[in-house]
Amino acid sequence: EVQLQESGPGLVKPSQSLSLTCSVTGYSITSNYWGWIRKFPGNKMEWMGYISYSGSTSYNPSLKSRISITRDTSKNQFFLQLNSVTTEDTATYYCASQTYYGSIVGYWGQGVMVTVSS
Amino acid sequence: NIVLTQSPATLSVTPGESVSLSCRASQSISTSIHWYQQKSNESPRLLIKYASQSISGIPSRFSGSGSGTDFTLSINRVESEDFSIYYCQQSYSSLYTFGAGTKLELK
Repeated sequence: EVQLQESGPGLVKPSQSLSLTCSVTGYSITSNYWGWIRKFPGNKMEWMGYISYSGSTSYNPSLKSRISITRDTSKNQFFLQLNSVTTEDTATYYCASQTYYGSIVGYWGQGVMVTVSS
Repeated sequence: NIVLTQSPATLSVTPGESVSLSCRASQSISTSIHWYQQKSNESPRLLIKYASQSISGIPSRFSGSGSGTDFTLSINRVESEDFSIYYCQQSYSSLYTFGAGTKLELK
């Protein structure tokens, strides 16, 4: 079974970049779609974007100028970078396996809480 | 963006009751709706895909229905482990969006 594990700093200063890593076991990231989803305080969920098996990406337009999702196939990891963060980016960040051409989130990581604060 | 409106925001029930949770889309989305359950301090898990298709390993008391703009997640005889937040998510648009969630709580 596929397993995903997020890692990265839990505290980021405003205007800096948020960088997270998702390590995947049990499945190759050269198959399927691999995404990032965040849950804000108050329970709102937002799909941020994904990187496909071929390396192509799709992003939420609301983040398009700030987000980058990349991968390292040799380590079976993919990455999230979100630039110019503000306190409104404080959330729990989940990496996920998106199946059916990216439509459905089949597996989720455990999530990592990221707080943006000075 | 396709907006998903879930109702009610909170549903208080006693174990053994059967419940229906609603998800309404701002435009017709065929059956491109999926349901997730998130228990406290856990990651979400997929319950139902494409409005009514079951997922392996999910108890049969969970079922989904609907098409177009109105969708329902039904739980037949709620059990104590079902008290969670339930989200719907659409994939009709490539900008995937989630509903705000329905919290199922113990009455």
